[in-house]
Amino acid sequence: AQSVTQPDIHITVSEGASLELRCNYSYGATPYLFWYVQSPGQGLQLLLKYFSGDTLVQGIKGFEAEFKRSQSSFNLRKPSVHWSDAAEYFCAVGARPGNQFYFGTGTSLTVIP
Amino acid sequence: DGGITQSPKYLFRKEGQNVTLSCEQNLNHDAMYWYRQDPGQGLRLIYYSQIVNDFQKGDIAEGYSVSREKKESFPLTVTSAQKNPTAFYLCASSSRELLTGELFFGEGSRLTVL
Repeated sequence: AQSVTQPDIHITVSEGASLELRCNYSYGATPYLFWYVQSPGQGLQLLLKYFSGDTLVQGIKGFEAEFKRSQSSFNLRKPSVHWSDAAEYFCAVGARPGNQFYFGTGTSLTVIP
Repeated sequence: DGGITQSPKYLFRKEGQNVTLSCEQNLNHDAMYWYRQDPGQGLRLIYYSQIVNDFQKGDIAEGYSVSREKKESFPLTVTSAQKNPTAFYLCASSSRELLTGELFFGEGSRLTVL
């Protein structure tokens, strides 16, 4: 069965510190992997995506993610967190376009000054 | 500006009433989706539609209904049969012409049952 696990419900980091959000997936086919960010009361915005090629992908707002097939992981990273990064982050997996997507339960990020 | 418009943003309903949430997109996308979001549960798929006049149930379709009469519109009706309808509802669309088919989201509609 397809599933996405985000082990960390909530993470708190200091501004300027590095960040890593974990994502593990279970998917039978070659996965398309995504990270989305959501501010309170808003829709979701795509941060980055992976479907093939270089396993380290760059996204918007200085985020990057690394696909590790052997570990079924797609962790999101940022070298230096800004206060505006405080939000909810969702990892998602999908198949070919137009099919279902599966989302993790999200990780809430708090940034302290 | 291309995008997805959901309305209303906030909606209050009495128990036993049906309510319809609107979702319109001008991205020319074939596929459209409705998700429900509850705290700590992530996004759960209610219904999705890959083409006009066709749609499939997602994981939590009971108590909901949809239609897809036009490519740009995918309204969701929350019926009185939905036992716990208070939630944040998100509409999304995707294009099969995009290699990865990522989802584009609206701003959401918050439904509160009084």
